[in-house]
Amino acid sequence: GENVEQHPSTLSVQEGDSAVIKCTYSDSASNYFPWYKQELGKRPQLIIDIRSNVGEKKDQRIAVTLNKTAKHFSLHITETQPEDSAVYFCAAGWNSGNTPLVFGKGTRLSVIA
Amino acid sequence: DGGITQSPKYLFRKEGQNVTLSCEQNLNHDAMYWYRQDPGQGLRLIYYSQIVNDFQKGDIAEGYSVSREKKESFPLTVTSAQKNPTAFYLCASKDSGYTDTQYFGPGTRLTVL
Repeated sequence: GENVEQHPSTLSVQEGDSAVIKCTYSDSASNYFPWYKQELGKRPQLIIDIRSNVGEKKDQRIAVTLNKTAKHFSLHITETQPEDSAVYFCAAGWNSGNTPLVFGKGTRLSVIA
Repeated sequence: DGGITQSPKYLFRKEGQNVTLSCEQNLNHDAMYWYRQDPGQGLRLIYYSQIVNDFQKGDIAEGYSVSREKKESFPLTVTSAQKNPTAFYLCASKDSGYTDTQYFGPGTRLTVL
């Protein structure tokens, strides 16, 4: 089955700097890669996703890149702000059907003002 | 996200008691999922259901049971066989179409006294 590894587990950056979180997956059949942000005590919320027919996707200050050959994908947050502090989860799965997503263990991002 | 509700928000249980966590969605999603979240452990899949009257075990199903009698409802019972049930429980549902977006409910925090 699919296995998703996520690094680092914790990340501290100065406000205004960039943050990068990396994930690797094992199943080459996976073709859907979402990223979720979870604030303390709240539900995870989808912030961006990418499908395997695309190499990069950007939405304002966040971007995701995908390298299918190496089976890794990354989340990039630029110009970080204190409200970006949260736990971020990557996941991998199939584009269609209802097979469960497989999640990484999360990265706790702290943005220091 | 407002289309998925979980109740109660907080639940306290004495050892040896079964408790049932509620999950309801009005998004007309076929697939529903239950996750358990412990600090530093990420999101672990307990059970999932791809269609009414059908469900499958996830990675940590022991000590839990579910039912899916209606499309909009997927209750989780934590039985006395679950040795360490204190955790944050998240329900999710997914659009089985191309968008494939998975939405989470607000969660139930279960504490065993």
